[in-house]
Amino acid sequence: SQQGEEDPQALSIQEGENATMNCSYKTSINNLQWYRQNSGRGLVHLILIRSNEREKHSGRLRVTLDTSKKSSSLLITASRAADTASYFCATDRDSSYKLIFGSGTRLLVRP
Amino acid sequence: DGGITQSPKYLFRKEGQNVTLSCEQNLNHDAMYWYRQDPGQGLRLIYYSQIVNDFQKGDIAEGYSVSREKKESFPLTVTSAQKNPTAFYLCASSMGSAGAQYFGPGTRLLVL
Repeated sequence: SQQGEEDPQALSIQEGENATMNCSYKTSINNLQWYRQNSGRGLVHLILIRSNEREKHSGRLRVTLDTSKKSSSLLITASRAADTASYFCATDRDSSYKLIFGSGTRLLVRP
Repeated sequence: DGGITQSPKYLFRKEGQNVTLSCEQNLNHDAMYWYRQDPGQGLRLIYYSQIVNDFQKGDIAEGYSVSREKKESFPLTVTSAQKNPTAFYLCASSMGSAGAQYFGPGTRLLVL
């Protein structure tokens, strides 16, 4: 079963523009994480936001969490061609060891 | 260099054959995981292990088996009972629960 669902499925922007990806989930969570995956590679952890946090920053990344709407957004500012990748949100569930991944947003940043 | 490694990068399986995917980590993490990723999809949990000599089934454990005899190692066997094994397999580890997971580079399994 899928907990997190990303939107949009694909996004194409020009270098220098901002990219926003959204994630919705169904049940209550302890934390929500965002990961990046370059084509054919493993996932790289980007940021973790806890259920009692509303916003978190890391470099050019900004994550927000709205537990009342069961949604999160990932904003990448001043995008670069190297940001081209798939981005996944992941939420914990009954056991915090278990993460549920969405199907991802494929981001293409055009030079 | 600390990290998590997977081998081989590509693996070919013949009909009725069992194959084993290797996963090793030197991050001193207690927890390890195996995920399956199909094209254009997210990750699905196969098995996870919170501590040495202990592991639990994930969402899609049928046709797979694991062992956790050492903290550093968590091999996954894809058995002949797994009828659709073609996928990208990812191993991960974490310090404990509720934290970031660190992923290996993956093994792509193909059926001949």
